[in-house]
Amino acid sequence: DAGITQSPRHKVTETGTPVTLRCHQTENHRYMYWYRQDPGHGLRLIHYSYGVKDTDKGEVSDGYSVSRSKTEDFLLTLESATSSQTSVYFCAISRLGTHNNDGYTFGSGTRLTVV
Amino acid sequence: ILNVEQSPQSLHVQEGDSTNFTCSFPSSNFYALHWYRWETAKSPEALFVMTLNGDEKKKGRISATLNTKEGYSYLYIKGSQPEDSATYLCAFPHGSSNTGKLIFGQGTTLQVKP
Repeated sequence: DAGITQSPRHKVTETGTPVTLRCHQTENHRYMYWYRQDPGHGLRLIHYSYGVKDTDKGEVSDGYSVSRSKTEDFLLTLESATSSQTSVYFCAISRLGTHNNDGYTFGSGTRLTVV
Repeated sequence: ILNVEQSPQSLHVQEGDSTNFTCSFPSSNFYALHWYRWETAKSPEALFVMTLNGDEKKKGRISATLNTKEGYSYLYIKGSQPEDSATYLCAFPHGSSNTGKLIFGQGTTLQVKP
């Protein structure tokens, strides 16, 4: 989507290896989020950021860490990938947060397969 | 745990039919209610963000209403077209702090047959 890109788009990795997914935005939005999408579970929040170096956990944060050293980049790291982390990962950005008249803009997603 | 429920889970209609589906959310501590449209192989796109009880928003043939006192929102599609086929998600902010934690429902998948 315009203004937000995710990389890589697809990745296959082995169990036990570390993996980092990148979300890059050019909108200068304050809020950034990582979700995973799984059949039967919909979209579930992993971690989010409300500013540079300000992050917090979502509902399914175990096994994941994040970093945001500058406004435009939000990195999601799987410290030691497991098969249960095979999923499609979506990054989203928001200018005003969720309480205001400002919806999320989503990235195109990263399909991660852990073998 | 916050629960956002959508019904029905899926819907099949003929082209030209009008349809509607429901999103239910906790009626206490309301801040906003989001609707998204998610086409297959694409990313979710924001349709509406509703913040006031009685709010009604419209985008082309799609409209939404909000009842914060009873905790529900309806999404209406008038004269459905095949290009309306998608999953429609509603989402509710979790927590009083305006920092995120948007909790999504499982979605209603609409299939419009030509």
